[in-house]
Amino acid sequence: DSGVTQTPKHLITATGQRVTLRCSPRSGDLSVYWYQQSLDQGLQFLIQYYNGEERAKGNILERFSAQQFPDLHSELNLSSLELGDSALYFCASSTTGGMNTEAFFGQGTRLTVV
Amino acid sequence: DAKTTQPPSMDCAEGRAANLPCNHSTISGNEYVYWYRQIHSQGPQYIIHGLKNNETNEMASLIITEDRKSSTLILPHATLRDTAVYYCIRRGAGSYQLTFGKGTKLSVIP
Repeated sequence: DSGVTQTPKHLITATGQRVTLRCSPRSGDLSVYWYQQSLDQGLQFLIQYYNGEERAKGNILERFSAQQFPDLHSELNLSSLELGDSALYFCASSTTGGMNTEAFFGQGTRLTVV
Repeated sequence: DAKTTQPPSMDCAEGRAANLPCNHSTISGNEYVYWYRQIHSQGPQYIIHGLKNNETNEMASLIITEDRKSSTLILPHATLRDTAVYYCIRRGAGSYQLTFGKGTKLSVIP
């Protein structure tokens, strides 16, 4: 158990809908990362937050947004969902997010868009 | 662009040491080498990381060559539960995120 909690574990929704994925980081960790893993793309970095502020952005679509709240939990919002958004979404956390700090991953949310 | 090169797959006999190579010939002086693994569709699991010195923890050892152009992850006594995709990742200043490549699929054979 990494200490990173993601909910829900599974989500099935229709095209055009909006969903919110939630991540609770390990106790004491200030940085949160979001990743997407689809069959044909591997693990893709989406976005990173540090203590409530956006720190780095990857290949995140404009239909997707995220935020980190004062209690340090994070949410990833996916809107106008398309079939291609079906994927595993992972959250990771680390103490500071610096290059010498390991990140620990949650077990992911499996999103299926039908 | 993960900037590391790993063999796509490897086999290892159960109980033997698994040695997973990684080439990172263009690594810069302040970039760390990280290793993660992913078992089936579970969340990636941190294994170990290092800068220039060899590192060891309860899971594995990391051997980094003196010129830092390559490294080897060693699982001393592989078990069936070590079957996974292993990722070697460079991480340095300006690269806060972990950039995953295709990794090495390690199969531990009974």
